[in-house]
Amino acid sequence: AQKVTQAQTEISVVEKEDVTLDCVYETRDTTYYLFWYKQPPSGELVFLIRRNSFDEQNEISGRYSWNFQKSTSSFNFTITASQVVDSAVYFCALSLRGSYDKVIFGPGTSLSVIP
Amino acid sequence: AAGVIQSPRHLIKEKRETATLKCYPIPRHDTVYWYQQGPGQDPQFLISFYEKMQSDKGSIPDRFSAQQFSDYHSELNMSSLELGDSALYFCASSARSNTGELFFGEGSRLTVL
Repeated sequence: AQKVTQAQTEISVVEKEDVTLDCVYETRDTTYYLFWYKQPPSGELVFLIRRNSFDEQNEISGRYSWNFQKSTSSFNFTITASQVVDSAVYFCALSLRGSYDKVIFGPGTSLSVIP
Repeated sequence: AAGVIQSPRHLIKEKRETATLKCYPIPRHDTVYWYQQGPGQDPQFLISFYEKMQSDKGSIPDRFSAQQFSDYHSELNMSSLELGDSALYFCASSARSNTGELFFGEGSRLTVL
């Protein structure tokens, strides 16, 4: 069975601090995709990143960076110099093989960035 | 660029009533997914369609049904509504040629009173 775990339910940081959101996944498939989505208070799901299982290179996009470690089945997300606008629920997610496979979401981590 | 369009954005119904949500996928996307997100919960997969045929089924109640039409839009029909059906319903679309990338709509918020 596939499963995504986000152990941190809620995190609060002060603006400009760095914060790392943890994600651990379970799957027996060798081909899979990992995602991070942001859900701001307005409710929409905003796609942040997709990573396939064969690409373990870390990625940086502005203040966002992702660390994919197959050995520990983790796909952690770091926000550098956090801003109030980063306050949202962040979901880590997993899908198998192809675009016809559903995305399985983790329980989400609610991030509050305090001014 | 065109995104996934969902309508209505907000819907209020009473118990035992029926509701229909609509989803218009991104042009040339052939797969549609429906998700339900209860308050404080993660989105739960309900059902998906590929080329107008049901391709996968998740935790969709028997009171719910869905279909994908010839123009690829999809409708989620919910009958005998219960208070617990109050949720944000997301539609997503993808193209099989673009592996692993789902595009979500902004969601339809259903409130059952």
